[in-house]
Amino acid sequence: QKEVEQNSGPLSVPEGAIASLNCTYSDRVSQSFFWYRQYSGKSPELIMSIYSNGDKEDGRFTAQLNKASQYVSLLIRDSQPSDSATYLCAVNIDRTGGGNKLTFGTGTQLKVEL
Amino acid sequence: DGGITQSPKYLFRKEGQNVTLSCEQNLNHDAMYWYRQDPGQGLRLIYYSQIVNDFQKGDIAEGYSVSREKKESFPLTVTSAQKNPTAFYLCASADRGRRTDTQYFGPGTRLTVL
Repeated sequence: QKEVEQNSGPLSVPEGAIASLNCTYSDRVSQSFFWYRQYSGKSPELIMSIYSNGDKEDGRFTAQLNKASQYVSLLIRDSQPSDSATYLCAVNIDRTGGGNKLTFGTGTQLKVEL
Repeated sequence: DGGITQSPKYLFRKEGQNVTLSCEQNLNHDAMYWYRQDPGQGLRLIYYSQIVNDFQKGDIAEGYSVSREKKESFPLTVTSAQKNPTAFYLCASADRGRRTDTQYFGPGTRLTVL
């Protein structure tokens, strides 16, 4: 079982719709969760971080965390063609005590169609 | 401008050569990281450093070396021992504050072995 799992997609949604991206993780003690957006050929950019159960909203983006189910999601409202990118889920999984290491999923490709 | 810079943007290497990738940050971050990304893959951690003059191996350190002589600099050397070095290399940094694991990425270096 991978430590951080995402559906690779592509996930296609029409412009203006809600895109829902999902991520599951294996380590119950994980405390920090991140969503990054990566355009083709570019480096990842941080969209959201979430640390507590529940929802966290920032503009058109909402991150949802359920630690009991080991599940974190990202909702994008009013999807735009500029949202077309790969979305990476990252989780702080620290088994060695070294601290502050992130484990990344392989990403979900989102395509927003006109 | 505050940020993370990586150079060069593109690098071509002949087999058997060592090459060094530069990563500099002026964010005053204590922690720095090197990742490798292969097509269609997530990010894999090569090395990381939590503080000057100290660094730890990540998941795929074989064939790579690093140094951390200054807080703002964390160069990565890809040695001839790395069997498949062609990849997109990403440097990141993070602040050691209350939330110490929010990582921000540089623009990346694309390395191709000829």
